[in-house]
Amino acid sequence: GAVVSQHPSRVICKSGTSVKIECRSLDFQATTMFWYRQFPKQSLMLMATSNEGSKATYEQGVEKDKFLINHASLTLSTLTVTSAHPEDSSFYICSATATGRYGYTFGSGTRLTVV
Amino acid sequence: GIQVEQSPPDLILQEGANSTLRCNFSDSVNNLQWFHQNPWGQLINLFYIPSGTKQNGRLSATTVATERYSLLYISSSQTTDSGVYFCASEGQRFGAGTRLTVKP
Repeated sequence: GAVVSQHPSRVICKSGTSVKIECRSLDFQATTMFWYRQFPKQSLMLMATSNEGSKATYEQGVEKDKFLINHASLTLSTLTVTSAHPEDSSFYICSATATGRYGYTFGSGTRLTVV
Repeated sequence: GIQVEQSPPDLILQEGANSTLRCNFSDSVNNLQWFHQNPWGQLINLFYIPSGTKQNGRLSATTVATERYSLLYISSSQTTDSGVYFCASEGQRFGAGTRLTVKP
């Protein structure tokens, strides 16, 4: 079955630093990857959609300069939280799909804590 | 965009009971999925079901596209079924989820 690896699973960083989260599709080529943010006891909020080789499409209200997304290959997308602040603390999740596939496979999520 | 509403928001069951979770959507959808998020945050894709009925073990789902709703049935619930169940339409619009607790 399809597997998506996301790491790190947990990261603590200081305010003002940047954090990179990786999302890899291990056994299929992911033409499209999605990034979500989830606050405690809330639903998933789509942040951006990234297609391999092109710029990510950000949802309204999501700062593209704050949350840098790169989808440089068919198996890897990265989310970089730049100049992180405590309000950026959250659970970040990626998912991936491919042309012709039905459904989405999720990474295991990254819990970011900014202190 | 499409609005997705789920009910009930919370559900507590005794092990062995059956349950039905509902997902209403505000417009026609070509892509409707059900997911389970376990207590550790991992999301598992349960069904891709834009229409019709599918079954997988103790779980089944039915989508009536013309009436804009989908149902997820859980039979003979087990404690491992606990977690949050989400439905999502195209555009990655997720409902608020149903938090299920199955007690032994």
